[in-house]
Amino acid sequence: GAGVSQSPSNKVTEKGKDVELRCDPISGHTALYWYRQSLGQGLEFLIYFQGNSAPDKSGLPSDRFSAERTGGSVSTLTIQRTQQEDSAVYLCASSLVRGGYEQYFGPGTRLTVT
Amino acid sequence: QKEVEQDPGPLSVPEGAIVSLNCTYSNSAFQYFMWYRQYSRKGPELLMYTYSSGNKEDGRFTAQVDKSSKYISLFIRDSQPSDSATYLCAMSANAGGTSYGKLTFGQGTILTVHP
Repeated sequence: GAGVSQSPSNKVTEKGKDVELRCDPISGHTALYWYRQSLGQGLEFLIYFQGNSAPDKSGLPSDRFSAERTGGSVSTLTIQRTQQEDSAVYLCASSLVRGGYEQYFGPGTRLTVT
Repeated sequence: QKEVEQDPGPLSVPEGAIVSLNCTYSNSAFQYFMWYRQYSRKGPELLMYTYSSGNKEDGRFTAQVDKSSKYISLFIRDSQPSDSATYLCAMSANAGGTSYGKLTFGQGTILTVHP
């Protein structure tokens, strides 16, 4: 079946602009996660959704970052007033059950802030 | 100090060699231990997971967890050029609390297997 998909695959934006990154999880997966992968920082957890609610937002680096999930499926990560330090690969993962350690990752969105 | 430490390498071995990849961690709450493989410009792919201490084998791959030493390993036997990738260890705490499901990753080890 289809895996996790993310769009766009690449995004170049100017400093100060807002961006939206989209994630389509595997059908039927109730848990959804966003991570960020950057040089020097490795892969960092951002936010976790169970259904449409986000019980763990502890990894969001600032209030410029927000995320939502609708219909228990698609999720959008929004970064407002982008900064150069936001440049990274943003990865989405989904899992069949809550707290699933078997997380399946999408290909990521490579964000470059100029 | 990071919660999970992993030697970034790079590690270069000849085809057919046995590869050993390792991570250490400091958080005793970690109960689930995973290894992911990531090819260039792709998302991480789950290779193996284990719960608590012990060994798990899957084909050429063996994962070991020693909770008393807070140390995990992945062994690759008869390594192939197609195994060339970045290998990431990841860990998760037990059920309950807000950490449920959150993975904490090591920095990743870059492995090259040359023919």
